[in-house]
Amino acid sequence: DSGVTQTPKHLITATGQRVTLRCSPRSGDLSVYWYQQSLDQGLQFLIQYYNGEERAKGNILERFSAQQFPDLHSELNLSSLELGDSALYFCASSVAPSEDNEQFFGPGTRLTVL
Amino acid sequence: GESVGLHLPTLSVQEGDNSIINCAYSNSASDYFIWYKQESGKGPQFIIDIRSNMDKRQGQRVTVLLNKTVKHLSLQIAATQPGDSAVYFCAEKGYSSASKIIFGSGTRLSIRP
Repeated sequence: DSGVTQTPKHLITATGQRVTLRCSPRSGDLSVYWYQQSLDQGLQFLIQYYNGEERAKGNILERFSAQQFPDLHSELNLSSLELGDSALYFCASSVAPSEDNEQFFGPGTRLTVL
Repeated sequence: GESVGLHLPTLSVQEGDNSIINCAYSNSASDYFIWYKQESGKGPQFIIDIRSNMDKRQGQRVTVLLNKTVKHLSLQIAATQPGDSAVYFCAEKGYSSASKIIFGSGTRLSIRP
């Protein structure tokens, strides 16, 4: 158990819908990262937050957004869902955003868009 | 563009033998490299990392080698055990904390009894 929690574990929804994925970082970690893992694209970095502020942006679509709240939990919002958005979404956390701070990954949320 | 790839998509190793998983990267500006292990149904787990100012780093039963001349990274697992069965990803990152991390496509390691 990494100490990072993600809810829900599974999510099934229809195209065009909007969903919110939630992540609670490890106790004491200030930085949160979101990743998408799909069969054809592999593991892709989406976005990073540190202490409530966006720190780095990766391959995140405009239909997707995220935020980190004062209690440090984070949410990833996916809207206008398409079939291709079906994937595993992982959250990770680290103590600080330094490049060599170990990231601890949560168990992921499996999103299926029908 | 930037890319991180793996030479072998699958690797089958006899239990007790050493495993070597290879990775090529293309961004010479990358400063930091990480190996992750992902077991079925779980998120990636950090194994070992190395900075670009080093060429070798050892952990418990694992060694990472970095050859910047040919942009090659490898993970060596000594005395491979059944619990080592997983997909292994290499990843690269630039020096800045705002630099994006880029993952390779992964190598599946299977252990023969």
